[in-house]
Amino acid sequence: DIQMTQSPSSLSASVGDRVTITCRASQVINYFLAWFQQEPGRAPKLLIYAASSLQSGVPSRFSGGGSGTDFTLTITSLQPEDFATYYCQQYNTYPWTFGQGTKVEIK
Amino acid sequence: EVQLVESGGGLVQPGGSLRLSCLGSGFTFSRYAMHWVRQAPGKRLEYLSIITSNGDSPFYADSVKGRFTVSRDNSKNTLYLQMRSLRVEDTAVYYCVKDQGSGTFDYWGQGTLVTVSS
Repeated sequence: DIQMTQSPSSLSASVGDRVTITCRASQVINYFLAWFQQEPGRAPKLLIYAASSLQSGVPSRFSGGGSGTDFTLTITSLQPEDFATYYCQQYNTYPWTFGQGTKVEIK
Repeated sequence: EVQLVESGGGLVQPGGSLRLSCLGSGFTFSRYAMHWVRQAPGKRLEYLSIITSNGDSPFYADSVKGRFTVSRDNSKNTLYLQMRSLRVEDTAVYYCVKDQGSGTFDYWGQGTLVTVSS
């Protein structure tokens, strides 16, 4: 199975900060990478697909980049509703796999 | 509005069985592949299974292969997950997820909790 490793596992940031989360795949996954946001007790929500495509309805302060094995999720100007856990997911090879998550907390 | 509503979770003893259902609405259910994903308490998301739009060629993760069976009834807009020989480690919230059409997931159900315990 393809292993997905996110860094950092958690971070503390303030409203208005720029935040970048990294995701590394153990094999090349081309651009078949998605990012999800999960609030406590809620289902995940798709933010980014195909590494850099913004899902409809998602604010433009979210952006994704990368290809091959290394990817990033950037949140410019962090908002109060952005404090949540973020997961990357590869859908290049079955079984699709997720990163361990990055918890974004309020500083 | 796309909605996915899971049901059927609950408490079951190890070795027992349970069937989860997921009712889809707000989209043409029969046109999309559907997935099951689970999340054990405090753990990362775990991909379980996919079934194509017409019910062909289901795929299962190794952790559930031979014990879980995915199926669908397009006439009822419903996805199923039959779970047998349940283990303590199957305790998790189970999510029904709609395929985006290009490979990943765009809509998730609210999840249903399955607890395997004696």
